[in-house]
Amino acid sequence: DAGITQSPRHKVTETGTPVTLRCHQTENHRYMYWYRQDPGHGLRLIHYSYGVKDTDKGEVSDGYSVSRSKTEDFLLTLESATSSQTSVYFCAISLTEMNTEAFFGQGTRLTVV
Amino acid sequence: KNEVEQSPQNLTAQEGEFITINCSYSVGISALHWLQQHPGGGIVSLFMLSSGKKKHGRLIATINIQEKHSSLHITASHPRDSAVYICAPSGNYGGSQGNLIFGKGTKLSVKP
Repeated sequence: DAGITQSPRHKVTETGTPVTLRCHQTENHRYMYWYRQDPGHGLRLIHYSYGVKDTDKGEVSDGYSVSRSKTEDFLLTLESATSSQTSVYFCAISLTEMNTEAFFGQGTRLTVV
Repeated sequence: KNEVEQSPQNLTAQEGEFITINCSYSVGISALHWLQQHPGGGIVSLFMLSSGKKKHGRLIATINIQEKHSSLHITASHPRDSAVYICAPSGNYGGSQGNLIFGKGTKLSVKP
């Protein structure tokens, strides 16, 4: 299994609070991704990174920011959590831009109350 | 807009049956992944295809680029195959050459 660790695995937070999710990899892969998974929608891309300090928006980036200060860590921040951000969040990594090999983390279940 | 369509959405089979899950897509792609997600679990990439056919154990994946269609077959299905199977083409979406877009998944349940 690829070395991807997401933390926390579960979190309950209140509306309006900031939340940071962490994705840590030990594979030294250049590309990292944050997705959210919701019933009826499948997985959707939030943000991705193609290197240290290089990030870009995905399909559903509103309300989220990311940072990548080291190759191994990709942080997803909800600046002010809303109930619509209740979801399961997955981190993924890839060695190449073409996602020729994609590895996913175990997911973080976030509930905003 | 549904750029990736999977069928069926739900599938129940008896152990030993041959199973086919279909994926049609409307976008240009460079490759296509089949992913497996067990209940409450993470996501694993089973195959990455850019043409033809791949086989891994009891799993076979095919793709027809011209028809924009891929299939995942499971031979001699087993209860441990029960999972959600997700089709995920990769292509030039959102400014990147290889971003993935995802089907909504096919929930497979194999009964003993």
